[in-house]
Amino acid sequence: EPEVTQTPSHQVTQMGQEVILRCVPISNHLYFYWYRQILGQKVEFLVSFYNNEISEKSEIFDDQFSVERPDGSNFTLKIRSTKLEDSAMYFCASSDLSQTGELFFGEGSRLTVL
Amino acid sequence: SQQGEEDPQALSIQEGENATMNCSYKTSINNLQWYRQNSGRGLVHLILIRSNEREKHSGRLRVTLDTSKKSSSLLITASRAADTASYFCATVGAQKLVFGQGTRLTINP
Repeated sequence: EPEVTQTPSHQVTQMGQEVILRCVPISNHLYFYWYRQILGQKVEFLVSFYNNEISEKSEIFDDQFSVERPDGSNFTLKIRSTKLEDSAMYFCASSDLSQTGELFFGEGSRLTVL
Repeated sequence: SQQGEEDPQALSIQEGENATMNCSYKTSINNLQWYRQNSGRGLVHLILIRSNEREKHSGRLRVTLDTSKKSSSLLITASRAADTASYFCATVGAQKLVFGQGTRLTINP
């Protein structure tokens, strides 16, 4: 069964360092998302991406964040200068033709900022 | 905010009992979805109910939707220990799903 894969599963970084989280969405999907979940809290929307551009972003997704689909298969989330409060699980998701349909989530990348 | 809010925040029942979780939301929706999350894992889609539907079944799951009250419920019948997880409702906005706080369900053997 097709699945969304994310790497790394866990990354530990120092405050101020750049981090890139990688995702391989399901191959025929057209809509891509990043969500994050701070430990014990709800899943928060960060950004949606369609047709090689951001279609919507939340207040959390400030200038420190960027997304890219560099090669038609990978979908990356970059945090330019990490802060302690960026520590969270980051989930990538994709969906097919409809933005309002089912989302398929990866297993997440746990980011720990020290 | 359109986000759903689940109730209760935590629910603990005996194996074999039914579990009911509720979700309320604030704005009009296209559809409402329920997801499950095992501890430390990704979210898994369970069921989608469209705004013009009132009830939907999938295996041991039954979802209802009352758009006049802006609420939905998820019923898991004949619960099993493996149903222990967090359950989230998600409302569909223009470009994204917005998740509620979730209900932490514990099934005691």
